Amino acid sequence: QSVLTQPPSVSGAPGQRVTISCTGSSSNIGAGYHVYWYQQLLGTAPKLLIYGNSNRPSGVPDRFSGSKSGTSASLAITGLQAEDEAEYYCQSFDSSLSAYVFGTGTKVTVL
Amino acid sequence: QVQLQESGPGLVKPSETLSLSCTVSGGSVSSDSSYWSWIRQSPGKGLEWIGYIYYTGSTNYNPSLKSRVTISIDTSKNQFSLKLTSVTAADTAVYYCSKETSNCFDPWGQGTLVTVSS
Repeated sequence: QSVLTQPPSVSGAPGQRVTISCTGSSSNIGAGYHVYWYQQLLGTAPKLLIYGNSNRPSGVPDRFSGSKSGTSASLAITGLQAEDEAEYYCQSFDSSLSAYVFGTGTKVTVL
Repeated sequence: QVQLQESGPGLVKPSETLSLSCTVSGGSVSSDSSYWSWIRQSPGKGLEWIGYIYYTGSTNYNPSLKSRVTISIDTSKNQFSLKLTSVTAADTAVYYCSKETSNCFDPWGQGTLVTVSS
């Protein structure tokens, strides 16, 4: 049972901007723990997309951006491309559970 | 560039022990800045962090699995391993090994499906 809640799906036309929310609580995101985002293409392992709330690893296009406020975080994809169609997960640490936790996942569909 | 590869049986009987290994290439498990993790993904529970090990042998497990999990490391083989005891159908999942640095997971192995069934 994930403690970080994401919308099951979002969609957009090529070129559009979509955002994915990640809602936590005072024991994880709200406690100041960083948020990380992963992209999982169909049939592959998750790949780190955003670290430390808003930083992109080398090689990740600047179309992807992350932000955090209060007990929530968001991932934005601008200039949506067909290759962005994937499942996206947020991740943080939860002090009550003493464990790393992941979001429920969001399927991004490019129309 | 570090790469990880999981290996182990794809089918385990209920009540038995699941055993997997992760071979690291392109880097050393003895790196002092890295923790080596196991994560699983099942349709019912999504992504779940299982635990990690440091090259010194220090471990940290998800409390929800702690009573059944053991993670060990073999620096001579550049491998680390997972044992999960008393498995049930709920333990059926794709199991990933990953390198954890600064509280996030990168990179990941390709994953291995383990099915618990008689």
